[in-house]
Amino acid sequence: EAGVAQSPRYKIIEKRQSVAFWCNPISGHATLYWYQQILGQGPKLLIQFQNNGVVDDSQLPKDRFSAERLKGVDSTLKIQPAKLEDSAVYLCASSSRGLDTEAFFGQGTRLTVV
Amino acid sequence: AQKITQTQPGMFVQEKEAVTLDCTYDTSDPSYGLFWYKQPSSGEMIFLIYQGSYDQQNATEGRYSLNFQKARKSANLVISASQLGDSAMYFCAMRESRPLDGQNFVFGPGTRLSVLP
Repeated sequence: EAGVAQSPRYKIIEKRQSVAFWCNPISGHATLYWYQQILGQGPKLLIQFQNNGVVDDSQLPKDRFSAERLKGVDSTLKIQPAKLEDSAVYLCASSSRGLDTEAFFGQGTRLTVV
Repeated sequence: AQKITQTQPGMFVQEKEAVTLDCTYDTSDPSYGLFWYKQPSSGEMIFLIYQGSYDQQNATEGRYSLNFQKARKSANLVISASQLGDSAMYFCAMRESRPLDGQNFVFGPGTRLSVLP
């Protein structure tokens, strides 16, 4: 089965520019997560979707970050305008329903803001 | 408050020896699941092992086992017979059935394990 696909793998932008990341979860997975992982730290949950609805976005900096999951499949995470502290790896993960189902992760997008 | 605490930023272990990585968690939800992931330097997140809050026995998967102490809210990962390829970051994560703060599937800060030849 195909895994979680993310693109691009790497992105370098200047501060105040905008950037978008794309994620295609595993087919049939209802739950989709976006995490921000700063170097040397654990993944921080930004937003969780259940199908195309937002379950939790309490940690998403909504003044600059936005995310959507149209038709309950692909998802896009956008940052506008970017700040230096947004430099991180952005991980997308998906899982099926159930407390005991693990989340499958994509390879991530490494963002560098200069 | 941190939901997941991993108090060991770094650990060293000799090849072929066993090592325990600590994880404590905080929840008032009676139904939850605990997960361990491995993240090598390549950056991929690899699922290792799962323990459910109602599971009577400790989970095991090959060389990985979970020392689950529910009353102490700890879920330590034990790696037996360490190999050089075990050198990586290890993350403990929790999924609650009804998280009070809405945050689900949260991760701890991680432990960097280095296996010495």
